[in-house]
Amino acid sequence: DTGVSQDPRHKITKRGQNVTFRCDPISEHNRLYWYRQTLGQGPEFLTYFQNEAQLEKSRLLSDRFSAERPKGSFSTLEIQRTEQGDSAMYLCASSSAGGLWDEQFFGPGTRLTVL
Amino acid sequence: TQLLEQSPQFLSIQEGENLTVYCNSSSVFSSLQWYRQEPGEGPVLLVTVVTGGEVKKLKRLTFQFGDARKDSSLHITAAQPGDTGLYLCAGAGGGADGLTFGKGTHLIIQP
Repeated sequence: DTGVSQDPRHKITKRGQNVTFRCDPISEHNRLYWYRQTLGQGPEFLTYFQNEAQLEKSRLLSDRFSAERPKGSFSTLEIQRTEQGDSAMYLCASSSAGGLWDEQFFGPGTRLTVL
Repeated sequence: TQLLEQSPQFLSIQEGENLTVYCNSSSVFSSLQWYRQEPGEGPVLLVTVVTGGEVKKLKRLTFQFGDARKDSSLHITAAQPGDTGLYLCAGAGGGADGLTFGKGTHLIIQP
């Protein structure tokens, strides 16, 4: 088991472009979460999936953001028409539903810079 | 809105000293997790506390969950330079499905 992986690790884009990030969770985990972390802050919850169903979205997730987990395994997070305020670290985490506690294990993150 | 407040925000001490960082909230959480994060990396889970009054030890680190499950503390004994990092507390089950994180404590241990 290699843990949660994210790709790419870094992305630099120009304002107005679309970007897509990928997350591969720990293989036996059926819950997958996306968070955003800006400088000097803790991670902020964006959305989560149980298997392929998206069960919760934060108000932080504007209409320009969309997340999918089509087969209940990997997930993608797309940001359309990026803005400079989207610059942040995007973190993915996974956990096992039915575990005693919701222990979430994080990937290394994707650092997005919007110029 | 649930908030977790961590204190202090920054702490710089000498190797060998002891320290305590705090995580406080007005909300009750079903569990509370402590993470350590290094620059450019994702948070790494250190411990989960679940029961009010619970104390867990991880080598030189001691974690405590408050009786009312609203606050927690992390105590490090004989700090080492390898303990340097951002320590984050996160609450689960406070009404949201994601974790609620504090802003973290930036800890620097000087040799």
